[in-house]
Order: sequence, then structure tokens, then C-alpha cells
Amino acid sequence: GAVVSQHPSRVICKSGTSVKIECRSLDFQATTMFWYRQFPKQSLMLMATSNEGSKATYEQGVEKDKFLINHASLTLSTLTVTSAHPEDSSFYICSAYQAFFGQGTRLTVV
Amino acid sequence: GENVEQHPSTLSVQEGDSAVIKCTYSDSASNYFPWYKQELGKRPQLIIDIRSNVGEKKDQRIAVTLNKTAKHFSLHITETQPEDSAVYFCAASVRSAGGTSYGKLTFGQGTILTVHP
Repeated sequence: GAVVSQHPSRVICKSGTSVKIECRSLDFQATTMFWYRQFPKQSLMLMATSNEGSKATYEQGVEKDKFLINHASLTLSTLTVTSAHPEDSSFYICSAYQAFFGQGTRLTVV
Repeated sequence: GENVEQHPSTLSVQEGDSAVIKCTYSDSASNYFPWYKQELGKRPQLIIDIRSNVGEKKDQRIAVTLNKTAKHFSLHITETQPEDSAVYFCAASVRSAGGTSYGKLTFGQGTILTVHP
């Protein structure tokens, strides 16, 4: 079946630094990728929708300049958390076509 | 926008019993209702879905029912097994008839299902 590969699975970074998370569709093309954030024991909250070749659409309350999304090809979408702070610590997950999720990235900002 | 409410937040059953999780949605334009199973620290897995032109769908021990008039849908798991223990999420979305356009998902709050041996 279709596979979405997300890396890294875990990352620890210092406050003020940036972290890039990659999501690749391995055996299919994804024109649209959804990015979610999940706090412990909570539901998935949509952060933004990335579309290949165009600007991402961000949900209300999500800072565009802090969470940079790039969807440069039909198989790769990236989320960069810029100037990370401890409150950005969370589980970030990408998804293609509502059915195929990446493994998730556990981000810890210290 | 869409709002999805899910109940109960926790559900504990004995192995072999049935489990039912219920969700309601607010946007009458939603026409696609998937259910996901998420184990701790893992990715959500699509376990079953239903479109608004169907009232019920079954896949082995799992079934989903949809009442479009009342805007609610339910997940039914029969003959539960310990490996069914996980967090289950319902969601609602708009999907084009040909399945070529995928709207964003709005998730319910999740249900922690525990199946005791």
C-alpha cells in the first residue's frame, strides 16, 4: 500500500534553533499534504495544508513565519519550525489523502 | 467550520464484548467520515470509512453507521480483543464524488479503548 515516510522520528533541539521535518510519499504522488500537531493525550489539530507548487494554507492561529511549509515536489513536503521554543514541543504528523500518515516526529525543545 | 464531538473519552470492556464509540458533526456539507486507530507514539491508521450516501459499512469485526439527518456516526467493534486497545478517532471531511479532491479532516477528541483479557 501507499507509504508516507516522515523524518526524523525524534528530535531534540535548543531554544532558538530551527528544525526541519520531511515527509515523503514513497510510491505515489501527493499533490496535497496535511500537517498536524498532536499534544499528549489529545486529538490531531490541523496546522496547514501544503499544495505542490503553491503556497500553503494555514489554519487560524498558526503562525506562518514560525511554521514554514514547503511542497516543492509531488513526493516531498517539509515543515520547518523556526526559532523553536519549549511550547513548540509536540508530536507533528503529516498526512496524504486523508488515509496515509507519516510516522510522526516527536519534537522536544530544551 | 466543522466541529466533531466524540464520546466516550474512555471505554473499558472485557475481551469478547462489543464496543461502541459515537461522534456527531455540525457541517451538513461533510460527506466523508473515517475512523482511525492510534497506538501510543504511533501514526494513526485508517480502519474504516463511510461516505454520506451509505448508511452502514462492515469490515469483519468493525462496522460504522451513519445517520446523516441527525449528523451522527458510530463505530462498532464486536468480539473485542486485547490488541484492539488503542485510541480511536473519528473525523469528518468533504471529499469530491470522484475521490480526487480531499478536504481537510476535523477530528474528534479521541476515545481510549481498553480491552481487558
